[in-house]
Amino acid sequence: GQSLEQPSEVTAVEGAIVQINCTYQTSGFYGLSWYQQHDGGAPTFLSYNALDGLEETGRFSSFLSRSDSYGYLLLQELQMKDSASYFCAVIKAAGNKLTFGGGTRVLVKP
Amino acid sequence: GAVVSQHPSRVICKSGTSVKIECRSLDFQATTMFWYRQFPKQSLMLMATSNEGSKATYEQGVEKDKFLINHASLTLSTLTVTSAHPEDSSFYICSAGGPDNQPQHFGDGTRLSIL
Repeated sequence: GQSLEQPSEVTAVEGAIVQINCTYQTSGFYGLSWYQQHDGGAPTFLSYNALDGLEETGRFSSFLSRSDSYGYLLLQELQMKDSASYFCAVIKAAGNKLTFGGGTRVLVKP
Repeated sequence: GAVVSQHPSRVICKSGTSVKIECRSLDFQATTMFWYRQFPKQSLMLMATSNEGSKATYEQGVEKDKFLINHASLTLSTLTVTSAHPEDSSFYICSAGGPDNQPQHFGDGTRLSIL
C-alpha cells in the first residue's frame, strides 16, 4: 500500500516562512507533486519533483530526497492569500495516478 | 498552459436522479483522465482512471455500476452518478496530465448535492 504523512495544520504570520514536510511510503515512486486548494475551490498545481533537490518557483520552493522518502514545500514571504490547504501527492511509476496526503491547512494571520 | 474544464460546477437534485459531469482538456489531448471525490475537510480520493477508447479502471471500493465513466474522445471524459442518493453528495473533481502525464491539472470541480 501507500501512505503519505504531512502535518494537519500550520499557523504563521504574514511575511513568515513555512515549511510543510511530507514523508511517503510507496511501492514504486515516480515523483512528488504539491497542490494548493482554497476552500471551495479545486486543487491548483504548485510544483513537481522527480529528481532529488530543490525546485524554486517564485515564493514557493519544493524539495525532494528520494533516499529519505521525504519532501517539503517551502512557502516564503507569506501573504494572507496563501491561507489554504496544501497537499503532497505521489506519482507511482505505473499508471501516473496521484495519491494524495491528508493535506496541511495553512492559516496566515496579520 | 494546460487547461482542464469541468461542467457543471454545481448540481442540486432529488434522490434517484442520475447526474452527468463532463471533463474536457482544452488545449491538449488526454488519453488518460482521472476522477476524484472529496468530502469536506478531507483529502482527494481517486475514484477511477478514465482511458480513452477503453474501459475505466476503478479503485477498490468504488462501484463501477454506480459511477459510470465514458472517455469517448481524447478531450472529453464523463462521469455519471446513477440513481444518486444523499450519501453521494460530495465534491467531484477531474484531472488530466500534460506530456508524460505530469503535471496533472484539475478541473474546477462539481459540487453535487442530493436532496
